[in-house]
Amino acid sequence: AQKITQTQPGMFVQEKEAVTLDCTYDTSDQSYGLFWYKQPSSGEMIFLIYQGSYDEQNATEGRYSLNFQKARKSATLVISASQLGDSAMYFCAMREDFGNEKLTFGTGTRLTIIP
Amino acid sequence: NAGVTQTPKFRVLKTGQSMTLLCAQDMNHEYMYWYRQDPGMGLRLIHYSVGEGTTAKGEVPDGYNVSRLKKQNFLLGLESAAPSQTSVYFCASSLYGGVYGYTFGSGTRLTVV
Repeated sequence: AQKITQTQPGMFVQEKEAVTLDCTYDTSDQSYGLFWYKQPSSGEMIFLIYQGSYDEQNATEGRYSLNFQKARKSATLVISASQLGDSAMYFCAMREDFGNEKLTFGTGTRLTIIP
Repeated sequence: NAGVTQTPKFRVLKTGQSMTLLCAQDMNHEYMYWYRQDPGMGLRLIHYSVGEGTTAKGEVPDGYNVSRLKKQNFLLGLESAAPSQTSVYFCASSLYGGVYGYTFGSGTRLTVV
């Protein structure tokens, strides 16, 4: 079974509109962490936002926010006021197995912002 | 600049050849990881290390070996390259994971012909 599921292979969004990228996860651990990364066409992995399983507040970082619904095992990334530079692949990832800190990635969503 | 450096950035190998990818970090991170990225499959963990002198298998370890003789370096070896190992390889490191996050190298694009 997939540990991280991203069901949107690709999305097209009009510039300045908000973007919602879905991510669901599967774990039996009580302590885990959820990450979102951006990979532009240049290939580097850029850290966007982190949510710990015990964090009561949803994480926010500038235009990025994470809608964390623990009971549904969902970690949706919201990008407000999208920009052309937001066009990239976006990966959701989960850290579990406390002690070795491994990250498991989803298959990604390719976001294209339309001018 | 502090970070994770991968060498080489590009490489073409013939089937059966061997090579070593080097990952170096200058942040005194304990944990280091090697991932491969294939189209439509995200990043998959090959091997990882939780400290100098330790290594462990990840999700897709077959055909690869690793060593962590020094804390700052994590080497990924391919003893007999196969076309199925054509991929982009990423190294990453972290202090304790979690809120401290992970730092990724810029990747190595390997083609096996």
